[in-house]
Parts: sequence; C-alpha cells; structure tokens
Amino acid sequence: GENVEQHPSTLSVQEGDSAVIKCTYSDSASNYFPWYKQELGKRPQLIIDIRSNVGEKKDQRIAVTLNKTAKHFSLHITETQPEDSAVYFCAARTGYSTLTFGKGTMLLVSP
Amino acid sequence: DAGVIQSPRHEVTEMGQEVTLRCKPISGHNSLFWYRQTMMRGLELLIYFNNNVPIDDSGMPEDRFSAKMPNASFSTLKIQPSEPRDSAVYFCASRDRAGETQYFGPGTRLLVL
Repeated sequence: GENVEQHPSTLSVQEGDSAVIKCTYSDSASNYFPWYKQELGKRPQLIIDIRSNVGEKKDQRIAVTLNKTAKHFSLHITETQPEDSAVYFCAARTGYSTLTFGKGTMLLVSP
Repeated sequence: DAGVIQSPRHEVTEMGQEVTLRCKPISGHNSLFWYRQTMMRGLELLIYFNNNVPIDDSGMPEDRFSAKMPNASFSTLKIQPSEPRDSAVYFCASRDRAGETQYFGPGTRLLVL
C-alpha cells in the first residue's frame, strides 16, 4: 500500500517568515494530494489540494508543488501569521479510494 | 448544511465496557470513512464505506472493533470490549460522489479507564 512520509515533525517560524513542509509518497500511481490543517482540538480541514497532472497550485498565501518523478510534494506558506499555527497533514490517494496521511507537522508561528 | 455530525463528542468509559460511536454524513455524500487519531500513530483509516457497503476494513485493529452503515445517513463504530489503548479521537469523514474532498466531523474523544 501507499506510504507517506512527512517532514519536519515540528516547525517554528517568526511571523512574516515562510514555512515549507515536505512529503514523499511511495506509490507512483497516486494521483491526488490534499493538505489538511488541524487546529488544536478541532477537526482536520482541507486547505489546498493538487492532482497529478498539475505541478503547482496557489491560493493566496499557500501553494503546493508536486514532483511526480521524485514522488514528493510540498506545502509553502508565505507571510506566516500566528493564526497559521496548527498541525498540517499531507495525504496521498491512489485511484479513487482512500487517503494515506503523513504523521503531521506542528507549525508554530511566533509574533 | 450541518456538516458531518458525530456523537457523542466525549466518552469516558471503563475497560471492558461496550462503546458505540455514531456518525451522520453530509446529505448526498456516498462515501464514509472512520479514522482514529493518536499522538503516536497519527491519523489512521479504520474502515471505508461506499454506498453503505464496507469496501476496505483492513485498518480495523482487531475483532473488538466493528462498523456498520445501515443506510446512507447513519454509521456506527462499536468497540466491545473496550481497552485503555483504544483511547483516542475518532473521526468520521464523508465524500460526495463526484468530489475528492473528505469532510471531517468534529470527532469523538474516547477515554477508556
């Protein structure tokens, strides 16, 4: 089955800095890669996703890049704000079935 | 739209007791997922239903866990007997027929003493 590795496990940045979270996946047939944000005590919520036929996608301060050859994808957050502090999960899906999640990255943005 | 609804939101029980978690997916969604989240193991898929039929239950830890989806608007996850290592947050998520996004419920925080 699919295996998703996520790094780093924790990331501390100053407000206004950029943050980058990286994930690798094992199944070359995976075709959908969402990112979820989970605030403390809350549910995971989708923030951005990318499909295998696209190399990059942006939505305001967040962007995701995908390198199919290397089987890795990354989340980029620019101009970080304290409200960006949360745990971020990457995931990969093969076909139209289930998601395999990474272990998560705790992002702390200090004012 | 009320989103995915889960109940109870919190459950404290003693080892050996039966626990039943409930989920109501978003109306019109035909796929339902049960996840377990712990610090050690992260977010794990337990079981996946499509059109009320279990498709993948390979994540169900052992025979103490069972899940049902008797109709399109209701699913249960049952643990019998419960053990302290079952303590976790259990999330239900649903997805619609044409979409790819999984929408999570608020979760049930289970503590087994």
